[in-house]
Amino acid sequence: SQTIHQWPATLVQPVGSPLSLECTVEGTSNPNLYWYRQAAGRGLQLLFYSVGIGQISSEVPQNLSASRPQDRQFILSSKKLLLSDSGFYLCAWKQGWEAFFGQGTRLTVV
Amino acid sequence: KQEVTQIPAALSVPEGENLVLNCSFTDSAIYNLQWFRQDPGKGLTSLLLIQSSQREQTSGRLNASLDKSSGRSTLYIAASQPGDSATYLCAVTDSSYKLIFGSGTRLLVRP
Repeated sequence: SQTIHQWPATLVQPVGSPLSLECTVEGTSNPNLYWYRQAAGRGLQLLFYSVGIGQISSEVPQNLSASRPQDRQFILSSKKLLLSDSGFYLCAWKQGWEAFFGQGTRLTVV
Repeated sequence: KQEVTQIPAALSVPEGENLVLNCSFTDSAIYNLQWFRQDPGKGLTSLLLIQSSQREQTSGRLNASLDKSSGRSTLYIAASQPGDSATYLCAVTDSSYKLIFGSGTRLLVRP
């Protein structure tokens, strides 16, 4: 069966520090991969999505970037975090039509 | 640009009630619509997926309908239970294969 792993579960980082969040999918190949951010009490904002290795579409032109170095690996990065980057980050994958989500990373920038 | 709206934003009902959650979208050119459940601080759990050619899907006490031409979907929960308390989110897959979410309905079922 397919599973999605996202880590770390929680992260506290100072302003200006770098960020790397990783998401991996098991049990499938060539999935569509997504990064979302959810602010407190809000809906999910699509940040990036990828339909294949090295193919990244950006929805939010902020200080975040994404990479897909392997078919089932999706990485969200930042060179310098801002306070406004705090939130709940979720990775998702789709193969076919149904989407499945990881358990999320709670990022607090202090 | 596709926009997804969910009403109400919050709902509190006594246990045993049947209830309806609403989702609307502005662009009817969608591939499908999916309903999710999110518990506090957790990821999303898929509940129901309706393809654009379908009218409804059922799973246990849940029934979701889709009227693509009018840009609407409803999630019907029968005989609600305290364990149903969570945030319910709908999302559409648009013509670019992006998954666009509504802001959710926060449901509280009181014992």
